[in-house]
Amino acid sequence: GAVVSQHPSRVICKSGTSVKIECRSLDFQATTMFWYRQFPKKSLMLMATSNEGSKATYEQGVEKDKFLINHASLTLSTLTVTSAHPEDSSFYICSARVEGLETQYFGPGTRLLVL
Amino acid sequence: KQEVTQIPAALSVPEGENLVLNCSFTDSAIYNLQWFRQDPGKGLTSLLLIQSSQREQTSGRLNASLDKSSGRSTLYIAASQPGDSATYLCAVYSGTYKYIFGTGTRLKVLA
Repeated sequence: GAVVSQHPSRVICKSGTSVKIECRSLDFQATTMFWYRQFPKKSLMLMATSNEGSKATYEQGVEKDKFLINHASLTLSTLTVTSAHPEDSSFYICSARVEGLETQYFGPGTRLLVL
Repeated sequence: KQEVTQIPAALSVPEGENLVLNCSFTDSAIYNLQWFRQDPGKGLTSLLLIQSSQREQTSGRLNASLDKSSGRSTLYIAASQPGDSATYLCAVYSGTYKYIFGTGTRLKVLA
């Protein structure tokens, strides 16, 4: 089946720094990738839709200048958390949509801790 | 706006019991519904994917049903084991190409 990877799996950073999280589709091309965020003991909330070669579409309430998304190739999307604060600490999961198939494959997630 | 609700929020059962987890959604115009398992601090593991044209899917001790018209899906776990302890999430894939996740059911199976 289709595999989606994320790197890093876990990251700890200081407040004020920026952190980049990568999402890769390993054996298929994904024109669309999605970024989700999960707060402790809560469900996943969609943050943004990442389209290859164009600007990401952000969900209501998500700061686009805070969470920079780049989808430079058909197999890679990156999420950069800029000027991270402790409240940005969360579990971030990406997914990739297979063109023509109405489903998505999810990555293993990245746990971010901002000190 | 699609909303997905899961009942119960938490469940604790003795080993060996058969159990049912419920998922309801407000908009029946869906492509598919997927059940996931999430262990503490871990990512998602896809358990079962039901297309909108299907009524149920089975994998081992798991059986998921879908009643699109009533906006309901159930995940049936037979002969539960301590290793089944996890949070179970259902997610609905709609025409906006987004998965909307439910609130999850935290399951604990006691040995």
